Amino acid sequence: LAKTTQPISMDSYEGQEVNITCSHNNIATNDYITWYQQFPSQGPRFIIQGYKTKVTNEVASLFIPADRKSSTLSLPRVSLSDTAVYYCLVGPRVAAGNKLTFGGGTRVLVKP
Amino acid sequence: KAGVTQTPRYLIKTRGQQVTLSCSPISGHRSVSWYQQTPGQGLQFLFEYFSETQRNKGNFPGRFSGRQFSNSRSEMNVSTLELGDSALYLCASSDRTSVQETQYFGPGTRLLVL
Repeated sequence: LAKTTQPISMDSYEGQEVNITCSHNNIATNDYITWYQQFPSQGPRFIIQGYKTKVTNEVASLFIPADRKSSTLSLPRVSLSDTAVYYCLVGPRVAAGNKLTFGGGTRVLVKP
Repeated sequence: KAGVTQTPRYLIKTRGQQVTLSCSPISGHRSVSWYQQTPGQGLQFLFEYFSETQRNKGNFPGRFSGRQFSNSRSEMNVSTLELGDSALYLCASSDRTSVQETQYFGPGTRLLVL
């Protein structure tokens, strides 16, 4: 399983864009990149997943360069409720079992 | 669809006791995984069940066990509880037939061992 490295914490202000970069130098050809969000005392919640280039949904965008050795989660115009821990995961497709490895995550604090 | 549900949400036990936690996956999901989350160790994979069979197991002692029923509901059991077992236990279900597999987590059961 590819190891991921992401910043421990980030501070931001309401209305700003938050970009969290995750490094995964040993990503395998078949690996996908998935981001989860977790609030205190709740289970992680799926945000976005991608394989290459750019993926966008109603919550976030995920940018993946051609070499796929890193990825950037972009949260546009954050609000106080976006304060959470964000996890970057790299894992195989489907049938290898759910051994997705959660690293330490990035604690994002959104200030008023 | 209803999300993943876990019961109970909170539990207090004493050392040496055993505990059983329950998880009901999203309807149609046949894969259920369990995780332990602590401030010091983060989120660690316990085991995964698929169609009533344990498919993967993390690095936890044999005191941690689980099972899955024919309706995909799952239980995990921890015997001879230790103080270090205090944690948030998370259950996640997924649809392993989809190409881009994602996991949907429940709210967790917070276990406190005294």
